[in-house]
Amino acid sequence: RKEVEQDPGPFNVPEGATVAFNCTYSNSASQSFFWYRQDCRKEPKLLMSVYSSGNEDGRFTAQLNRASQYISLLIRDSKLSDSATYLCVVTLNTGNQFYFGTGTSLTVIP
Amino acid sequence: DADVTQTPRNRITKTGKRIMLECSQTKGHDRMYWYRQDPGLGLQLIYYSFDVKDINKGEISDGYSVSRQAQAKFSLSLESAIPNQTALYFCATSDGAKNIQYFGAGTRLSVL
Repeated sequence: RKEVEQDPGPFNVPEGATVAFNCTYSNSASQSFFWYRQDCRKEPKLLMSVYSSGNEDGRFTAQLNRASQYISLLIRDSKLSDSATYLCVVTLNTGNQFYFGTGTSLTVIP
Repeated sequence: DADVTQTPRNRITKTGKRIMLECSQTKGHDRMYWYRQDPGLGLQLIYYSFDVKDINKGEISDGYSVSRQAQAKFSLSLESAIPNQTALYFCATSDGAKNIQYFGAGTRLSVL
């Protein structure tokens, strides 16, 4: 069983739409949670960390549900520049290794 | 200048050749990682190092070796390259506190 699982999509949404991605993780000892963004043929870059209380950064909102072992990312008012692959990342309490989901592809259409 | 620099950016090699991918960082982080990325498989950890004298195997270390020559340098070697090692390779660093990873721009490797 994979440590982290994501729906690969693709998600094709019009500009201005709201879109949500979910990610599930298998190890209840997981400690830290992140969303990274990866543009085509580029390196992953941190989008936001995910905290237990949930957190928001502009149009982006991340939530953590420890009981159900999933994290989510909500993007409001989608922009063309949001088109990318979004990677869910989890670390165990040791912080030694990072487990990446395969990514969810988003295309925002004019 | 990039904080995490990988060289070369692209490499084409033949089966059986030995090649080395280099990574250097100016972030002052102790932790460094090598990943490979294949379409549909996400990033897979090859090796990681928390210190100059610390080397740890990741999920897919077979066929690879690493060297941590200094805090700022972490190189990945393919002793005898094979075609299924064709992939995009990323080096990353982390400070171990916030657990945020910073990636290099990647090395696209093709083994013919």
